[in-house]
Amino acid sequence: GQNIDQPTEMTATEGAIVQINCTYQTSGFNGLFWYQQHAGEAPTFLSYNVLDGLEEKGRFSSFLSRSKGYSYLLLKELQMKDSASYLCAVRDLPNAGKSTFGDGTTLTVKP
Amino acid sequence: DAGVTQSPTHLIKTRGQQVTLRCSPKSGHDTVSWYQQALGQGPQFIFQYYEEEERQRGNFPDRFSGHQFPNYSSELNVNALLLGDSALYLCASSAQGPQYFGPGTRLTVL
Repeated sequence: GQNIDQPTEMTATEGAIVQINCTYQTSGFNGLFWYQQHAGEAPTFLSYNVLDGLEEKGRFSSFLSRSKGYSYLLLKELQMKDSASYLCAVRDLPNAGKSTFGDGTTLTVKP
Repeated sequence: DAGVTQSPTHLIKTRGQQVTLRCSPKSGHDTVSWYQQALGQGPQFIFQYYEEEERQRGNFPDRFSGHQFPNYSSELNVNALLLGDSALYLCASSAQGPQYFGPGTRLTVL
């Protein structure tokens, strides 16, 4: 089976940097995904790591260590609109296999 | 390019009834997955369809069934609704990359 752990809540200040961690224990691994979900809305895709290392996409970066079963999402220059739930998900099969999601980290950005 | 679409947006049913939810995938995507998301939790995988066949299934009872059509659109059917089936039902489509989610259907069972 799959087990995904991430902190329940985090708070940060506008303009700051925040790191959201995710650890996983899985029977199969073919990629780790980060999604952003605002309250009452669907998740939107942020980033994808399949190999170890850092992937950067504007203000968002994601890191993966497969040997440690660990990933983080780094958000820079925080804006109020970044207040949302951030979901870590692991895909079990290549290409289009199902994803197992963590319960999400609710990030609150304060002025 | 239209993204993933779902209908209806909201639905209210009573216990014991049956419901059908619909999903059209993003253009170019041939795989559709369905998820159930309860409040405060991450999406839980129900099943995945590819080439009109159920390819993978999560830990959901047989009351949950689905279908994929030749144009890759999909339906989720839930029979004998229970109060606990109240949730946001998400459809996600993919090809060989990440999954992209539709806006979801909010199902309330009274």
